[in-house]
Amino acid sequence: KNEVEQSPQNLTAQEGEFITINCSYSVGISALHWLQQHPGGGIVSLFMLSSGKKKHGRLIATINIQEKHSSLHITASHPRDSAVYICAVASLKAAGNKLTFGGGTRVLVKP
Amino acid sequence: ETGVTQSPTHLIKTRGQQVTLRCSSQSGHNTVSWYQQALGQGPQFIFQYYREEENGRGNFPPRFSGLQFPNYSSELNVNALELDDSALYLCASSLGFSPSYEQYFGPGTRLTVT
Repeated sequence: KNEVEQSPQNLTAQEGEFITINCSYSVGISALHWLQQHPGGGIVSLFMLSSGKKKHGRLIATINIQEKHSSLHITASHPRDSAVYICAVASLKAAGNKLTFGGGTRVLVKP
Repeated sequence: ETGVTQSPTHLIKTRGQQVTLRCSSQSGHNTVSWYQQALGQGPQFIFQYYREEENGRGNFPPRFSGLQFPNYSSELNVNALELDDSALYLCASSLGFSPSYEQYFGPGTRLTVT
């Protein structure tokens, strides 16, 4: 079993819909990251969380440390949100700030 | 302030050859991590360098090696290339190796081994 699991693997939404991506992890962590990767390959950091909730524009990220679970929400989705969203954790056991990644959720928002 | 850059963008190598990939960290960042991302998968940690010393290594064979220079730029070297080494190679820099520091990713180098 992977240390970081994401669901769903693929998601298609109509423009304007509310999108939720889930991330579950099995290790103790010091931080959880949500990242966005566009088809060209470059990765952009969206959020870094160790507790609670963060909001940036139409994006909201929450984390429940006790349940080892995080969600990324996209409100009023837009075609430009189409990308792969990746959850990654910095494990308490790992050296430095090494990240362990989930497999990603491929999001397609149709106009 | 320039972001993280990587070179080359793409390259094609033959099985058995050697390759060197380069990464320039964001200004002021002394820590760099390298990741391998196979097609359709999440990235896998290769190793991390802090102030020119290796500071952690993932489950990769010794033919994957690295260097960090005094200006904190970094190289990833892969010897005896195998077909499975075909992937996107990402580097990420940060202000330090504490998990509290955000990592900034480069655009990646896409390596194809034929």
